[in-house]
Amino acid sequence: GAVVSQHPSRVICKSGTSVKIECRSLDFQATTMFWYRQFPKQSLMLMATSNEGSKATYEQGVEKDKFLINHASLTLSTLTVTSAHPEDSSFYICSARDEAVGETQYFGPGTRLLVL
Amino acid sequence: GQQLNQSPQSMFIQEGEDVSMNCTSSSIFNTWLWYKQDPGEGPVLLIALYKAGELTSNGRLTAQFGITRKDSFLNISASIPSDVGIYFCAGLRGSQGNLIFGKGTKLSVKP
Repeated sequence: GAVVSQHPSRVICKSGTSVKIECRSLDFQATTMFWYRQFPKQSLMLMATSNEGSKATYEQGVEKDKFLINHASLTLSTLTVTSAHPEDSSFYICSARDEAVGETQYFGPGTRLLVL
Repeated sequence: GQQLNQSPQSMFIQEGEDVSMNCTSSSIFNTWLWYKQDPGEGPVLLIALYKAGELTSNGRLTAQFGITRKDSFLNISASIPSDVGIYFCAGLRGSQGNLIFGKGTKLSVKP
């Protein structure tokens, strides 16, 4: 199947700092990528839909100024957690849609964020 | 909002046994996907279902898209220890392809 990578795989930062997470589709182009957050023992919750060349669409309750999304190319979307706080600690996972094979989404390996 | 009810929440089985889990929804979905997630990793796609009534297999896995488009099941035959993990169903929502996830089924397999 298609491959999606994320970087970094884990990050520890101090409260108040900003963290950027990259999501790349390695062998296909994706006009649409998605960002999810997963708390321990819970399911994935969609945060936002990242659209190449346009603004991201955020789910209700997700602050767009806190979670900045940039989808500058067909293979790269970034999520920046600004002024991170301990409650932002979570597992962040991106996915990309391979439109050549329909609606199937392929997920990255996730980024574990710990805010101290 | 749209929700997926996935059951069972967890299963403890003996190696070699068959497993069945399902998802239901009050809303219609046009696509159902089944994923497996290992600890600390992203979900891996197992099976994608695009047509109501569709029955699809992937090795020891079989999944069906319910005829009403409101449910789906996943079967695993002859389970092995590496089947351990959390299995999620997901329904595709809207034109942008947003996925709605079930709460997951945690599978434990005793050797």
